[in-house]
Amino acid sequence: ETGVTQTPRHLVMGMTNKKSLKCEQHLGHNAMYWYKQSAKKPLELMFVYNFKEQTENNSVPSRFSPECPNSSHLFLHLHTLQPEDSALYLCASSQDRLAFNEQFFGPGTRLTVL
Amino acid sequence: AQKITQTQPGMFVQEKEAVTLDCTYDTSDPSYGLFWYKQPSSGEMIFLIYQGSYDQQNATEGRYSLNFQKARKSANLVISASQLGDSAMYFCAMREGGYGQNFVFGPGTRLSVLP
Repeated sequence: ETGVTQTPRHLVMGMTNKKSLKCEQHLGHNAMYWYKQSAKKPLELMFVYNFKEQTENNSVPSRFSPECPNSSHLFLHLHTLQPEDSALYLCASSQDRLAFNEQFFGPGTRLTVL
Repeated sequence: AQKITQTQPGMFVQEKEAVTLDCTYDTSDPSYGLFWYKQPSSGEMIFLIYQGSYDQQNATEGRYSLNFQKARKSANLVISASQLGDSAMYFCAMREGGYGQNFVFGPGTRLSVLP
């Protein structure tokens, strides 16, 4: 595997379910990110991890819980979601948090909350 | 406040022709980076090209070039010789200088290449 991978690619869940999204990067990067992409809205940054430490939580509701066990893996744990949480969730990584390093994105998980 | 503006929600271009996608930005930081990403229907965001605020030359990457006009705060993407596979959403993004600043993305432009 190369680049940034995400599983699952598609997820349908009820509001009472608990599920997790997984992201893995094979680029040796130190920073990882979760973004939410809703229809007709710009990308929204959710969480940032740098060297496994969470450095940013962009006022995300507590029903989204991130976990970064090491620099290569990032999880997003979901519980008691709402229908408005249906979106494409994108994971990204970058070498570090310097301004001029591009972010590499995974293919995303398309989440539908019923 | 929105920092990236992409005024073209949708664009059409004939195959093999060139197309310009507009992007304007707002920052008071003299040091920043500008990025363009392509998002096909599959969902993955693909990095295309980067321009630094201190770069003297316009960035080019194959068929992609960035028309950087610093005084006007514009960073338009030019795609030459459009191909059917270029049909996608295109996002302009900016990251201000310094350590730890986040990307800010524009709303995107949907490009459709016609055969």
